[in-house]
Amino acid sequence: DTEVTQTPKHLVMGMTNKKSLKCEQHMGHRAMYWYKQKAKKPPELMFVYSYEKLSINESVPSRFSPECPNSSLLNLHLHALQPEDSALYLCASSQDRGGVGELFFGEGSRLTVL
Amino acid sequence: DAKTTQPPSMDCAEGRAANLPCNHSTISGNEYVYWYRQIHSQGPQYIIHGLKNNETNEMASLIITEDRKSSTLILPHATLRDTAVYYCIVRVRSGGSQGNLIFGKGTKLSVKP
Repeated sequence: DTEVTQTPKHLVMGMTNKKSLKCEQHMGHRAMYWYKQKAKKPPELMFVYSYEKLSINESVPSRFSPECPNSSLLNLHLHALQPEDSALYLCASSQDRGGVGELFFGEGSRLTVL
Repeated sequence: DAKTTQPPSMDCAEGRAANLPCNHSTISGNEYVYWYRQIHSQGPQYIIHGLKNNETNEMASLIITEDRKSSTLILPHATLRDTAVYYCIVRVRSGGSQGNLIFGKGTKLSVKP
């Protein structure tokens, strides 16, 4: 199984809503990542988890709250988002942070904030 | 900031080799060259990586110049399904921030019939 599964594929939410994006992998990887991608732009790193601990937060606003309940799951909790937060949110995993190994990406969750 | 420079777009005829250049003139001795691609509306996909030597796998070949300041990704027989944005990325094998995968603008490759 070499898949990273993200749900939901599409999400529409209002600025006062609370929602969550979910990511799951069963490759035994110990590093997981959240990236944000705006239209026609490259992916931008948001958060990195290593062995279930947050190791990098790239100055992301607190309205985005990551959570890693166990080594296979990664959540991104969303609250009080702005329309400019509309984007494709990509989850990825790798064997570990320091290895030469590749990152496996999910298909992404496309978020629209109204 | 991305440490690589790539042409914004390239065209290639179906069945021909696609040669995608990347400049990384400030690469450090411990930085690897990685290539990923992103087909429209999908997540990025790993293609290949290398340190000094040329590398080949079932998807592509990676040619790194002797001074390591540039590289070329070669898709030997491009198909329409290879139409995608190709990202060249340099990163260290490190648990620190320098080991993060940071995407630049990439090259939009269009394979035409």
